[in-house]
Amino acid sequence: EAGVVQSPRYKIIEKKQPVAFWCNPISGHNTLYWYRQNLGQGPELLIRYENEEAVDDSQLPKDRFSAERLKGVDSTLKIQPAELGDSAVYLCASSPADIQYFGAGTRLSVL
Amino acid sequence: DAKTTQPPSMDCAEGRAANLPCNHSTISGNEYVYWYRQIHSQGPQYIIHGLKNNETNEMASLIITEDRKSSTLILPHATLRDTAVYYCIVRVRKAAGNKLTFGGGTRVLVKP
Repeated sequence: EAGVVQSPRYKIIEKKQPVAFWCNPISGHNTLYWYRQNLGQGPELLIRYENEEAVDDSQLPKDRFSAERLKGVDSTLKIQPAELGDSAVYLCASSPADIQYFGAGTRLSVL
Repeated sequence: DAKTTQPPSMDCAEGRAANLPCNHSTISGNEYVYWYRQIHSQGPQYIIHGLKNNETNEMASLIITEDRKSSTLILPHATLRDTAVYYCIVRVRKAAGNKLTFGGGTRVLVKP
């Protein structure tokens, strides 16, 4: 069974440019999470979806970050415009109930 | 969610048991102890969880003290592939799922 798939694995952009990350969760998992992980720290939740509804986006910087989960399956996370401080690993996870399964993440470098 | 305290790092010899401690003195009665690990350049991976009884699966064993204020994750025969950051997380178990609050974790280095 395929795990959580994220793309791209790496992205390098200049500041003020837009960037988007894509996540394909494990089939049948209704809950989807986006986390951000800064260097040397643990992941921090950005947003949680139950099917297509964002049920916890309190930590999402809404001035520049947006996310969507169309049809309750795949999800995209967008940053526009990117800032130097956005350099991090962006992790997607999905869950059928309690245990979360993570993708390998997208490492973003903003120059 | 209750806060946890873990040593920042520890070394372990290949083939020996690795015992990873975690303190969670403010844990509530309905909070579980979860362990995840993160191997370099990968996302976190679930290992095991428990409420108050000791638990064992194919990856590890979890020992929770009687007062539930601390726990130990045991990797019975550590291999080089067990080198990773191990996170102890305390949270309420919900059917619909809720976020994981990661601390700094313990960086485990398994040496030949």
